[in-house]
Amino acid sequence: DVKVTQSSRYLVKRTGEKVFLECVQDMDHENMFWYRQDPGLGLRLIYFSYDVKMKEKGDIPEGYSVSREKKERFSLILESASTNQTSMYLCASFTSVLSSYNSPLHFGNGTRLTVT
Amino acid sequence: AQSVTQLGSHVSVSEGALVLLRCNYSSSVPPYLFWYVQYPNQGLQLLLKYTSAATLVKGINGFEAEFKKSETSFHLTKPSAHMSDAAEYFCAVSDRGGADGLTFGKGTHLIIQP
Repeated sequence: DVKVTQSSRYLVKRTGEKVFLECVQDMDHENMFWYRQDPGLGLRLIYFSYDVKMKEKGDIPEGYSVSREKKERFSLILESASTNQTSMYLCASFTSVLSSYNSPLHFGNGTRLTVT
Repeated sequence: AQSVTQLGSHVSVSEGALVLLRCNYSSSVPPYLFWYVQYPNQGLQLLLKYTSAATLVKGINGFEAEFKKSETSFHLTKPSAHMSDAAEYFCAVSDRGGADGLTFGKGTHLIIQP
């Protein structure tokens, strides 16, 4: 079974702090994603990555950056946290290997970030 | 650009009643469509997916969905609701199976009345 692990379930940070959200997957998946989830807005894609050191902007990348130095790890970085970044953050992974082309996204349990 | 619309942010049904959660999609290419469920304090779990093999798709926990191209719909149903079905449900669409991520609807909170 694929496991996507987000290092923190809850985080409280102050405005202006630099924040790192970590995500690790154990299935050698090529693609990894960061979403944020807000009530009434569903999930919105922040950034994704096809491979090590590759990154692509999603729908709402402003105020965020990402790092993928190893295939299994995908980090989301808030350079200077703001209160409007208080949200639930979900990491997901996916393989586009042909034999598993129709495999779903596998999600972690989320990190609930509060910026005060 | 692809998108999905979920009708009804909250749906309430009685235990044992039919569950119907609505999803309409917009896509310029034949879509891949998904339903995910999220239980409290958890990540999302795949219920079922449509990949053009069959228009009626059966998923886990007794859920199924029917792809109707003429109506651009992919509604989720379950014949008899159970208390454990109470959760948030998300419809999602992709034109590449998920490689670029999925576009999610805003979600429908399913409430089960005893």
